[in-house]
Amino acid sequence: NAGVTQTPKFRILKIGQSMTLQCAQDMNHNYMYWYRQDPGMGLKLIYYSVGAGITDKGEVPNGYNVSRSTTEDFPLRLELAAPSQTSVYFCASSFLRDTKETQYFGPGTRLLVL
Amino acid sequence: QKEVEQNSGPLSVPEGAIASLNCTYSDRGSQSFFWYRQYSGKSPELIMFIYSNGDKEDGRFTAQLNKASQYVSLLIRDSQPSDSATYLCAVNPPTSNTGKLIFGQGTTLQVKP
Repeated sequence: NAGVTQTPKFRILKIGQSMTLQCAQDMNHNYMYWYRQDPGMGLKLIYYSVGAGITDKGEVPNGYNVSRSTTEDFPLRLELAAPSQTSVYFCASSFLRDTKETQYFGPGTRLLVL
Repeated sequence: QKEVEQNSGPLSVPEGAIASLNCTYSDRGSQSFFWYRQYSGKSPELIMFIYSNGDKEDGRFTAQLNKASQYVSLLIRDSQPSDSATYLCAVNPPTSNTGKLIFGQGTTLQVKP
């Protein structure tokens, strides 16, 4: 199993550009999450999904959109990139049977908006 | 008040010593508590989780939970330079049935040879 994969690893965007961060998992996990991590900070939840076709906002959803058409994929869309969106983005997944179930993280995408 | 608080450090300990990492949380009804380790430039990886009051041991790691004091800690015995990383405390809030986690800002641990 590849686990959780993310592409690209690194991207530079100009202000106002758009892009999609890709996330895929091959563990048949029903729950998926997108986080951002600013330097020296913990992770902030952007969006999450409890299954195909079901998504909901996290703590910091503004400026982002998501979709979940399949169990495996959970792309994050940035519209009109702003310097405040410079961060490292992590995708995670879990097979939630109870609250003790952990999340498995992808390797991250480093985004720089100039 | 932040929902999950950690001292950002850095916490510096000599090799072989016990490192003690602390975390407090604001929501008394929180259910599960996780410790993740994150090496510089890498993604978080789970070290331990705990959900009952008391201690839970796994090798050189011990997690301690005190729900009355809203306090969770991680002890690392016989610290090694390879333990140098940022340790993130994460809490599953009481209203969540979706596995959502709230993370602290992390404590940076430096183990000096």
